Amino acid sequence: DAGITQSPRHKVTETGTPVTLRCHQTENHRYMYWYRQDPGHGLRLIHYSYGVKDTDKGEVSDGYSVSRSKTEDFLLTLESATSSQTSVYFCAISKSGTGDSYEQYFGPGTRLTVT
Amino acid sequence: TQLLEQSPQFLSIQEGENLTVYCNSSSVFSSLQWYRQEPGEGPVLLVTVVTGGEVKKLKRLTFQFGDARKDSSLHITAAQPGDTGLYLCAGAGKGTYKYIFGTGTRLKVLA
Repeated sequence: DAGITQSPRHKVTETGTPVTLRCHQTENHRYMYWYRQDPGHGLRLIHYSYGVKDTDKGEVSDGYSVSRSKTEDFLLTLESATSSQTSVYFCAISKSGTGDSYEQYFGPGTRLTVT
Repeated sequence: TQLLEQSPQFLSIQEGENLTVYCNSSSVFSSLQWYRQEPGEGPVLLVTVVTGGEVKKLKRLTFQFGDARKDSSLHITAAQPGDTGLYLCAGAGKGTYKYIFGTGTRLKVLA
């Protein structure tokens, strides 16, 4: 358990509305990530952060933005939600593992439905 | 673009049977990880392998990293219903903190 919480856990919203998902960690880890998980696609990286105010795009970043103003919080915003963004969203942190690898630890997820 | 392909996608077996799940890529990874995910929860890290040819055991689970560090396998001996879940592999390059995930293998073990 890496002390990761996500809020909300479930959300239903309408097409065109903005949505913000929050990830909070309690262990002061530098690296944080947002993934989405869809059937047949596994986990796909949306955005990640390597420090306060330091973020970069992942493979499926279109339609999403992120912010990290504090080490412990990483926010994911859907500026104008679309039905294709209906998914389960996971936040993760990484910390040093075996050798020079990093190991990821995930939050419980947020199920987002866009109607 | 790095890709990780897992096979099989779905597996339904009887309790007590053995099984192997494969994770393959054309890319070389510095480390490869296996996760298990249960419904409604986030993935949970099972193991990290970092050396070509490395074998790690976790109770009835055996993980192997290919010699060329492009592939990995997960073998479960005498599967139990508690092994049911989605198994994911993930690879990372040397010193990187970005991960590529496979599409997953959904395992169901019937009592």
